[in-house]
Amino acid sequence: AQSVAQPEDQVNVAEGNPLTVKCTYSVSGNPYLFWYVQYPNRGLQFLLKYITGDNLVKGSYGFEAEFNKSQTSFHLKKPSALVSDSALYFCAVRASGSARQLTFGSGTQLTVLP
Amino acid sequence: ETGVTQTPRHLVMGMTNKKSLKCEQHLGHNAMYWYKQSAKKPLELMFVYNFKEQTENNSVPSRFSPECPNSSHLFLHLHTLQPEDSALYLCASSQDAAGSPTDTQYFGPGTRLTVL
Repeated sequence: AQSVAQPEDQVNVAEGNPLTVKCTYSVSGNPYLFWYVQYPNRGLQFLLKYITGDNLVKGSYGFEAEFNKSQTSFHLKKPSALVSDSALYFCAVRASGSARQLTFGSGTQLTVLP
Repeated sequence: ETGVTQTPRHLVMGMTNKKSLKCEQHLGHNAMYWYKQSAKKPLELMFVYNFKEQTENNSVPSRFSPECPNSSHLFLHLHTLQPEDSALYLCASSQDAAGSPTDTQYFGPGTRLTVL
């Protein structure tokens, strides 16, 4: 079985400050990890994914995520938040032995305050 | 979001109605998916199609009936739904030719369904 936890339903950060959205996972085997963002009344947009190699993954819109195997975490980060980053963020995992089923977290609402 | 399109964007239906949701992908992908998104819950995978063949059905009630006539189009036929079926229904597609676990899914904007 595989699972994802996003421990914070809501994250607030001031514009210009660094932001972190937390994600931890549980899988058997090697994990493949994804971050998606959902703006109001829109579908999920792919931000980045970790497959193997460098633990720091860079993605769209200045976002990056750090894979930490010992802590089974894949936190999403951005050095300087923008008001336009306010959205719902989803972490997802797929184990190496699983062909198609992505398991999503319940989402974290990020609000960037001007 | 022009890669994966969904129509209609909003749908209100009674419990005795029959309606269909449509999804089209313009990415040349081979796999398509239906997800249900309810407030404050993880996305629920409903159906998976690969090369037009259904490969997964996650114990979805028979009042939801998928159809995949080709690799670019996916439908979800709805009949005798319940109010608890009200949700955002998302379609996604991916390359997924060989079932790679690194395969990325791309989502449409969703259909907001309300069942009265």
